[in-house]
Order: sequence, then structure tokens, then C-alpha cells
Amino acid sequence: QKEVEQNSGPLSVPEGAIASLNCTYSDRVSQSFFWYRQYSGKSPELIMSIYSNGDKEDGRFTAQLNKASQYVSLLIRDSQPSDSATYLCAVKPRGGNEKLTFGTGTRLTIIP
Amino acid sequence: GAVVSQHPSRVICKSGTSVKIECRSLDFQATTMFWYRQFPKKSLMLMATSNEGSKATYEQGVEKDKFLINHASLTLSTLTVTSAHPEDSSFYICSAALSRDTQYFGPGTRLTVL
Repeated sequence: QKEVEQNSGPLSVPEGAIASLNCTYSDRVSQSFFWYRQYSGKSPELIMSIYSNGDKEDGRFTAQLNKASQYVSLLIRDSQPSDSATYLCAVKPRGGNEKLTFGTGTRLTIIP
Repeated sequence: GAVVSQHPSRVICKSGTSVKIECRSLDFQATTMFWYRQFPKKSLMLMATSNEGSKATYEQGVEKDKFLINHASLTLSTLTVTSAHPEDSSFYICSAALSRDTQYFGPGTRLTVL
């Protein structure tokens, strides 16, 4: 089993709709969770971080964390064509090592 | 804030030469920096963790003598690809840890070895 799993997609969502991206992780003691956005040919850009169970909202983005079920999701409201990118889920385990474990990413396409 | 730069952004070199890539945290001090490699349509692969003033920690399968990492200051880490070969052609990305949890990525360096 992969440590961090994401559906590779592509996920196609109409413009203006809600895009829902999911990620599951295997290490139960993971403490920190991140969503990065990566445009083709570019490096990842941090969108959200979440540490506690529940929802965290930032503009059109909402991260949801459920540690009991070991999943973290990202919702994008009012999807725009500029949201088309690959979204990477990253997990950091408990402890002093800052190393992140990345999923393979979900490719999202917003259809105008 | 939290800006990380990389230089060069793109490099083309001949097989057998060495290439140095610089990673700088511009507005914060980073005790830890990370080096990743990404092949087309693939996910990030962590190569090594670089701590200021100490030896880098390499991931399994990454040759430390081929990928030399130096982290001489709190704002600069370098990756040198020695005796580069075409199979080393890739997108190399560094990141710097602003805090114990959050990494910010540089813009990446695209290496092409002829």
C-alpha cells in the first residue's frame, strides 16, 4: 500500500462547480497535511495546510481532515479554468523530521 | 514572504560535465532544505534532505557521490550533478522549510544532458 494515495485523474469539472480532491494516507500518526498545486512545467505551490480534524477554509479552498478515517480532501468552490493543474497531497508524520511524503497527484481540468 | 529561488532555471550540458544548481531562501532562514527530482508526468521524488552545517541525508537509491549537496548557510544550498549523463535529465526542485511543518518550493531547474 502506498503511503499517500490519490486518484491520478484526470478529473474534469465544469467551470463554476465544486471540485473535490481526495487523499488517503497509511501512517496513522501523521500530524500535518498539505495541499500543493502544480501547473505543468512549474514547481509546486502551497495552497493549504491543515493539522486538526474538521474543515479549514481559505477563500475558495476548503481542506477537510478526518484522522480517524485517514483521509484529507480539498474542495475548490466556483472552479475557474485557472484552477486546472495537478494537485499534490503531502503528509508529514509526527516527529522532528520535516520530510514530507507526497501522493502522485490528481490532474484537475476545469471545463469552460 | 517565504520566497525560494533557484538558479539556473534551465541548463543544457554535455554528457560527462558537472552542473551546479543553487537554491536560496530569500526572505527567511532555512535550517533544512530538500532536493527533489521530477520526471515528466511523474510525482516528486525526494532525493535528499540538506541541513545547514551538516552532511545531507540521501534517500535510498540516490547516489551521494553523484549528487553532491552543500548547505553552507541558512539561506543557500547547492546540488551538483557530477559527470552528468542523459538519464540525469530531469526537473530538479528544491524546497526550504520555513517552520517544522511547511515547505516552500523553488521554481525548479530543468536539466538537459546531451
